[in-house]
Amino acid sequence: AIQLTQSPSSLSASVGDRVTITCRASQGISSALAWYQQKPGKAPKLLIYDASSLESGVPSRFSGSGSGTDFTLTISSLQPEDFATYYCQQFNSYPLFGGGTKVEIK
Amino acid sequence: QVQLQESGPGLVKPSETLSLTCTVSGGSISSYYWSWIRQPPGKGLEWIGYIYYSGSTNYNPSLKSRVTISVDTSKNQFSLKLSSVTAADTAVYYCARGSGYDYLDYYYYYMDVWGKGTTVTVSS
Repeated sequence: AIQLTQSPSSLSASVGDRVTITCRASQGISSALAWYQQKPGKAPKLLIYDASSLESGVPSRFSGSGSGTDFTLTISSLQPEDFATYYCQQFNSYPLFGGGTKVEIK
Repeated sequence: QVQLQESGPGLVKPSETLSLTCTVSGGSISSYYWSWIRQPPGKGLEWIGYIYYSGSTNYNPSLKSRVTISVDTSKNQFSLKLSSVTAADTAVYYCARGSGYDYLDYYYYYMDVWGKGTTVTVSS
């Protein structure tokens, strides 16, 4: 089964910082990747699908890129409401999530 | 606007069966894949399984022997049953709506509407 490895597992950043989170697939998955944001005590929220398509209503400071095995979620200017845990997800026989990246306040 | 709401017992005894229902409001359950996902305390997300509105299912291989997902289109609901539970099944359980399509030998799938989640504790 394809595995998803996210890095880093956590990071500290300041408001206004540019933040990049990486998701690596153990084999090529074209652009079949989604990104979710989860705040404490809340359900995950879809941010990006098809590796780079922004879900409706999601701020444009979020962007996704990549294809094959290496993918990136970028927050261009971190806002206070962006402190959360982020997960990537792909489908290979069944949906599978990465381990998550927690973005904390520096 | 489609909304999902999980319901069911918050406490289940070891070896018994966990049963949850997800009610879909603001839209029809027809079309889409309807998933269950869980999150143990302090851990990441684990997909449990989904059902298509027509009744076809797909389960996580690690849970397949214990999971049954069913749909009731007349009530706009789908349900999860997880048998022989242990403390390791203690988690927040979410239901979610999914969309998917095939393109050039790859399957694109994502979940765009989620319930708020319900906490299930397995304890005697």
